[in-house]
Amino acid sequence: DSGVTQTPKHLITATGQRVTLRCSPRSGDLSVYWYQQSLDQGLQFLIQYYNGEERAKGNILERFSAQQFPDLHSELNLSSLELGDSALYFCASSVAVGGLTDTQYFGPGTRLTVL
Amino acid sequence: TQLLEQSPQFLSIQEGENLTVYCNSSSVFSSLQWYRQEPGEGPVLLVTVVTGGEVKKLKRLTFQFGDARKDSSLHITAAQPGDTGLYLCAGSFTGNNRKLIWGLGTSLAVNP
Repeated sequence: DSGVTQTPKHLITATGQRVTLRCSPRSGDLSVYWYQQSLDQGLQFLIQYYNGEERAKGNILERFSAQQFPDLHSELNLSSLELGDSALYFCASSVAVGGLTDTQYFGPGTRLTVL
Repeated sequence: TQLLEQSPQFLSIQEGENLTVYCNSSSVFSSLQWYRQEPGEGPVLLVTVVTGGEVKKLKRLTFQFGDARKDSSLHITAAQPGDTGLYLCAGSFTGNNRKLIWGLGTSLAVNP
């Protein structure tokens, strides 16, 4: 158990819909990262927040947005869902802003299926 | 564009065999990490290598970072069924705002 929790574990929805994925980081961790993992693309970094502020942006679509709240939990919002958005979505957390010695701890993921 | 190439993509071996998986790039990394991911779970960090030529050992796992910091290998001695999983490498570049670039992984199955 990494100490990172994600809900829900599974989510099935239809194209065009909007969903929210939730992540609670390990106690004491200030950074939250969101990743998307699919079979053909592998693990893709989406976005990082540090202490409530956006820190780094990766391959995040404009239909997707995220935020980190004062209690440090984070939400990833996916809208106008398409079939290709079906994937595993992971949240990770780390103590600091990231760096050579800043280990990321991953949650168990949310499996999103868009029908 | 996939900046990290991992090989082989799939590997199925018998318990007790040795194996090596590779992670290659045309870019120079400031650091490189290896993770293992089991089905239904998130990746778990195994090791971070920073210095070119560095070798780190973790029980039966040996990690090597290339002298030019463009490639890395993971060698497992006497593989066990518990080693089964997806092995991912991830590298970060200097000045890339610490973002990790991930390989697609090597899926390893160790059969009893």
